[in-house]
Amino acid sequence: GDSVTQMEGPVTLSEEAFLTINCTYTATGYPSLFWYVQYPGEGLQLLLKATKADDKGSNKGFEATYRKETTSFHLEKGSVQVSDSAVYFCALSRPNFGNEKLTFGTGTRLTIIP
Amino acid sequence: DVKVTQSSRYLVKRTGEKVFLECVQDMDHENMFWYRQDPGLGLRLIYFSYDVKMKEKGDIPEGYSVSREKKERFSLILESASTNQTSMYLCASGTFWESSGNTIYFGEGSWLTVV
Repeated sequence: GDSVTQMEGPVTLSEEAFLTINCTYTATGYPSLFWYVQYPGEGLQLLLKATKADDKGSNKGFEATYRKETTSFHLEKGSVQVSDSAVYFCALSRPNFGNEKLTFGTGTRLTIIP
Repeated sequence: DVKVTQSSRYLVKRTGEKVFLECVQDMDHENMFWYRQDPGLGLRLIYFSYDVKMKEKGDIPEGYSVSREKKERFSLILESASTNQTSMYLCASGTFWESSGNTIYFGEGSWLTVV
């Protein structure tokens, strides 16, 4: 079945450091890939997505590129801020005639220290 | 703004009780979902529904049932709560043709403790 593997946390970085959170997937066909973010005490928000190979999703300074050859969708940000502290989830969805559902990774907790 | 509202943020129930978690969305979405979130396990899909009175099992349906009598409301039911159902429950909704993630919206979650 479909699965998503992302790097275990927690990850602690200093403000303005470079961030990478690794994500790889297993799925048949051509899934869409997503990063969701969960701030403390809140639900999940879509951060970015990519729907086909070599697509790059970007939002709020975060980027991720859909690499089909390595089945990866790593999240990057050049200079993190304290406000980026959150839990980040990688997810995939395979087309299913409108009944798509998301399969999530286990989440990576990110803490940014001033 | 789209809103997915979960009726209770925090609940404490006793083992064996019947528990209802309610979710309402205000965007006329066809698809609705219930996930549970546990440390180290991420989000796991319990049930989803793509239309009124329709439901599909997710990855971990055992011990749960759902009800979708109206399009805007999707209820998760724990028939006889057990301690291993202590978790955070997240409801989500999305549109029929765009539910591949770009318009899936999540509620704030319901923290359920079963004692």
